[in-house]
Amino acid sequence: SQELEQSPQSLIVQEGKNLTINCTSSKTLYGLYWYKQKYGEGLIFLMMLQKGGEEKSHEKITAKLDEKKQQSSLHITASQPSHAGIYLCGADSPRGSGGSNYKLTFGKGTLLTVNP
Amino acid sequence: GAGVSQTPSNKVTEKGKYVELRCDPISGHTALYWYRQSLGQGPEFLIYFQGTGAADDSGLPNDRFFAVRPEGSVSTLKIQRTERGDSAVYLCASSSPSGGTGELFFGEGSRLTVL
Repeated sequence: SQELEQSPQSLIVQEGKNLTINCTSSKTLYGLYWYKQKYGEGLIFLMMLQKGGEEKSHEKITAKLDEKKQQSSLHITASQPSHAGIYLCGADSPRGSGGSNYKLTFGKGTLLTVNP
Repeated sequence: GAGVSQTPSNKVTEKGKYVELRCDPISGHTALYWYRQSLGQGPEFLIYFQGTGAADDSGLPNDRFFAVRPEGSVSTLKIQRTERGDSAVYLCASSSPSGGTGELFFGEGSRLTVL
């Protein structure tokens, strides 16, 4: 089965600083999803990456998938307190292997704290 | 409402009791998913519905867990003879039939505590 390892497990940064969160897969990624979760709330979709070398940005958050499709990074520029939360990466299974493209395997998450 | 709605938000029960958790997906979303999230872990897949039928229930941990979606909209996750290890947040998600970005829309979850 596919396993996702996220690093770091937790991160504390000062407001305005840049940061990067990594997600490494034990197998080739066919679809990599980034979600954000705040305590007591559901997961909020950030971005999905599918192609090797792909990069997507939304506001101050940029996600990349490496060429080999086994590692993804999430970069936040000029962090703000509103960025605080748990960031989760999730991967779907390749079709044809019995997997559904919506049966996601998640990492354990990275807890981000942004101090004002 | 506009989003996925889950009830109850919190449920405390005693070991051995039966519980039901309800999920009301976004209107028009044919796909519905249940995930379970234990403390300090990422969500784990339980079951996926396409319409009224369970297309994939491979994540249900054992036969004490069962889920239904009789009219293709609201779903109920049922847990019999609850055990302390069942304590977790149960998350429901839905997605649009067109697929789009592949985004799953999650509810806020039902926190289950088994004493």
